[in-house]
Amino acid sequence: EDKVVQSPLSLVVHEGDTVTLNCSYEVTNFRSLLWYKQEKKAPTFLFMLTSSGIEKKSGRLSSILDKKELFSILNITATQTGDSAVYLCAVAGSARQLTFGSGTQLTVLP
Amino acid sequence: KAGVTQTPRYLIKTRGQQVTLSCSPISGHRSVSWYQQTPGQGLQFLFEYFSETQRNKGNFPGRFSGRQFSNSRSEMNVSTLELGDSALYLCASSLDQGEWSPLHFGNGTRLTVT
Repeated sequence: EDKVVQSPLSLVVHEGDTVTLNCSYEVTNFRSLLWYKQEKKAPTFLFMLTSSGIEKKSGRLSSILDKKELFSILNITATQTGDSAVYLCAVAGSARQLTFGSGTQLTVLP
Repeated sequence: KAGVTQTPRYLIKTRGQQVTLSCSPISGHRSVSWYQQTPGQGLQFLFEYFSETQRNKGNFPGRFSGRQFSNSRSEMNVSTLELGDSALYLCASSLDQGEWSPLHFGNGTRLTVT
């Protein structure tokens, strides 16, 4: 059974801080790892990392994938209050479905 | 391009009733998946449809069913509702042109069973 573990469960920082969110996984026939941001309703897609793309960057957000150690990190630099959300990590394996972690609740204080 | 649209946004039902939720995928997306989100269990996969065929199903009882129409729109049905079915039901669509492509989620339907 595929498994995703995220840490920490919650994190409180101040604006301007840099945060690192962790995601470790066990999956049969790894296809990709995805990061989502969920504020009120719909999870919003951030990054997809695959065997051919183990590092992604978009503005202040960046993510790397370590396929050997089976983990990924999501970095957010110069955090803003608008970054406050639940960040979800998910993996796609042999089955056509995503297995999600329980998420990291990030709170950015002004 | 319009995102994934789910209707209704909120539903309140009584135990034993049944409910139908609707999802319109992003234009051009042929794969539609359904997930249940609860505080205790997080996001859990229900099923996935492609070209009107269910390709994969999660570990949910047979009371949960779905279908996909020729225009890729999808519905899911829950019969004989139980209190534990109270959750946010999320629909997601993807391009699915052979390689794995990311899922794009709708805003969900919040179902409350009393």
